[in-house]
Amino acid sequence: AQSVTQLGSHVSVSEGALVLLRCNYSSSVPPYLFWYVQYPNQGLQLLLKYTTGATLVKGINGFEAEFKKSETSFHLTKPSAHMSDAAEYFCAVSGSSGGGADGLTFGKGTHLIIQP
Amino acid sequence: GAVVSQHPSWVICKSGTSVKIECRSLDFQATTMFWYRQFPKQSLMLMATSNEGSKATYEQGVEKDKFLINHASLTLSTLTVTSAHPEDSSFYICSAQSYRGSIAEAFFGQGTRLTVV
Repeated sequence: AQSVTQLGSHVSVSEGALVLLRCNYSSSVPPYLFWYVQYPNQGLQLLLKYTTGATLVKGINGFEAEFKKSETSFHLTKPSAHMSDAAEYFCAVSGSSGGGADGLTFGKGTHLIIQP
Repeated sequence: GAVVSQHPSWVICKSGTSVKIECRSLDFQATTMFWYRQFPKQSLMLMATSNEGSKATYEQGVEKDKFLINHASLTLSTLTVTSAHPEDSSFYICSAQSYRGSIAEAFFGQGTRLTVV
């Protein structure tokens, strides 16, 4: 069984400030971890994913995440927030490296608000 | 990346009627597609796994007779919400499986917002 917990349903940061979105997971098999972004009334866009190898993963739009097995965490960060980053962010876990073999288990999402 | 198209992007229907949502993989063949449901300000919940040429596999608690899934070709899966009621109002998103080598990756459609009045 797998589950994802995202701490904080809403996170507000100032433009130019550090973005930190928290994600913890539980998995009975080696996890594959994903971060997706969703803009209003749109589908999901993959930001980045961890499969194997390097634990610091870089994604699109300047985002990165670090897989910490000892902490069962996969927090998402961005050094400097832009107004365009305002969206809903979902952390997800899968038993397959692409997320496509058996579906994804999603966290409840974190709404990122960027203050001007 | 691979493109998945969902249609319609939004639909309003009367209570008791049926609504069909299409999910197409535009530039690849998808033997497997997934249907998710998202309630307002909540996460996506997997409803069912759709396999081309066979019956869909539904998650626990999802009524198979209410949410009919057909995956008749390698590029099209449909979700039909039968006898829709206001509580079925939700955002429905599909994802299609595309293989990169031996790795199955998921690509998402843009979603369909269903409102039942």
